[in-house]
Amino acid sequence: KQEVTQIPAALSVPEGENLVLNCSFTDSAIYNLQWFRQDPGKGLTSLLLIQSSQREQTSGRLNASLDKSSGRSTLYIAASQPGDSATYLCAVGSRPLVFGKGTRLSVIA
Amino acid sequence: EAGVAQSPRYKIIEKRQSVAFWCNPISGHATLYWYQQILGQGPKLLIQFQNNGVVDDSQLPKDRFSAERLKGVDSTLKIQPAKLEDSAVYLCASSPGGTSGGSSYNEQFFGPGTRLTVL
Repeated sequence: KQEVTQIPAALSVPEGENLVLNCSFTDSAIYNLQWFRQDPGKGLTSLLLIQSSQREQTSGRLNASLDKSSGRSTLYIAASQPGDSATYLCAVGSRPLVFGKGTRLSVIA
Repeated sequence: EAGVAQSPRYKIIEKRQSVAFWCNPISGHATLYWYQQILGQGPKLLIQFQNNGVVDDSQLPKDRFSAERLKGVDSTLKIQPAKLEDSAVYLCASSPGGTSGGSSYNEQFFGPGTRLTVL
């Protein structure tokens, strides 16, 4: 059974810092991994999708990496801004799809 | 392009009552997902459809939950009878294609969700 862990559960940083969010999974037989952002009371917004054959994806200030063999993915956020404050979730594409519990990020101005 | 639509946005019911949620995926998307998200948790997949066939319903409590996707477009999720522990946000998502690796067709797009409170 796939298990997904996100560390840390919560993170508070000053504006402008670079930060890394971690996602680990127990079964490496995955077809993709997707990072989402969730604002309070809202649905999920897709940030980055990494296919199983890829090592990383970049979008603006965001970079996500995938290491299937070690069961890890990281989401790197450069030059954080208060608008980045949200909960970040990783979803591991396996059968069935499994989400982590998320990392709640607060960026302080 | 219109996003995933869900209704209602909020629902309050008494335990043992029934409730239904509706989802309209992005036009042309073959795959549709229903998730349950309990406060403080990540979403849990309840059921996944590809067109009008079920791909995965291993985590759907079939004694009380049912879902259908007629004509491979809209979908409804029903709970009957509801329990207190069913209080959660029910999220619908869609993706262009199936679950095969190596394709961007499996990127998921989410609707705003339906917040269910069972009293």
